[in-house]
Amino acid sequence: DVKVTQSSRYLVKRTGEKVFLECVQDMDHENMFWYRQDPGLGLRLIYFSYDVKMKEKGDIPEGYSVSREKKERFSLILESASTNQTSMYLCASSPADLRGLGTYGYTFGSGTRLTVV
Amino acid sequence: GQQLNQSPQSMFIQEGEDVSMNCTSSSIFNTWLWYKQDPGEGPVLLIALYKAGELTSNGRLTAQFGITRKDSFLNISASIPSDVGIYFCAGRKNSGTYKYIFGTGTRLKVLA
Repeated sequence: DVKVTQSSRYLVKRTGEKVFLECVQDMDHENMFWYRQDPGLGLRLIYFSYDVKMKEKGDIPEGYSVSREKKERFSLILESASTNQTSMYLCASSPADLRGLGTYGYTFGSGTRLTVV
Repeated sequence: GQQLNQSPQSMFIQEGEDVSMNCTSSSIFNTWLWYKQDPGEGPVLLIALYKAGELTSNGRLTAQFGITRKDSFLNISASIPSDVGIYFCAGRKNSGTYKYIFGTGTRLKVLA
């Protein structure tokens, strides 16, 4: 069964800590994404990567960075966690849409619920 | 960044009722997706739409790609308790982007 695996379901961190959220996919997908989900705001894109070592900012990149050293792994880094980063974080992956037909949706992980205290 | 507007934001319905929800945008999209998120899980793809006017079914679920290409609709017939969750629409504007824009979600609660 193909999947996207997020390393932690729940995390509690202190303000100012450096936080790493890990995501691994076993589908050999080129694209990987990090979203945060907040009530009433839906899913907002933080960063995405379309290839190893490549990354692009999404809509809300401030306070975050990412790392993609291997194709299957995409890490989200909170440089100095703050309480307004308390949220559900979702990782997703998709194949490269080489034909441009939009035939591929995203496969999501189960999410990491992060609480910053 | 742009987000899609979903309506209603939440709804309670009785088991056996039909459900309708929609997703609207000020921009034209060439692909629409509908996802369902069960409590405590990530979203799972339900239906994908690729052409204006297209109507696609997946069991009791039917989705339509609006004629104007600025909206999409999801209907659930004869709802059951396991339909509870959050339904998200997602749209892609053109073939040159990997990115989908997600809606704000419709939370569905089914009363047995």
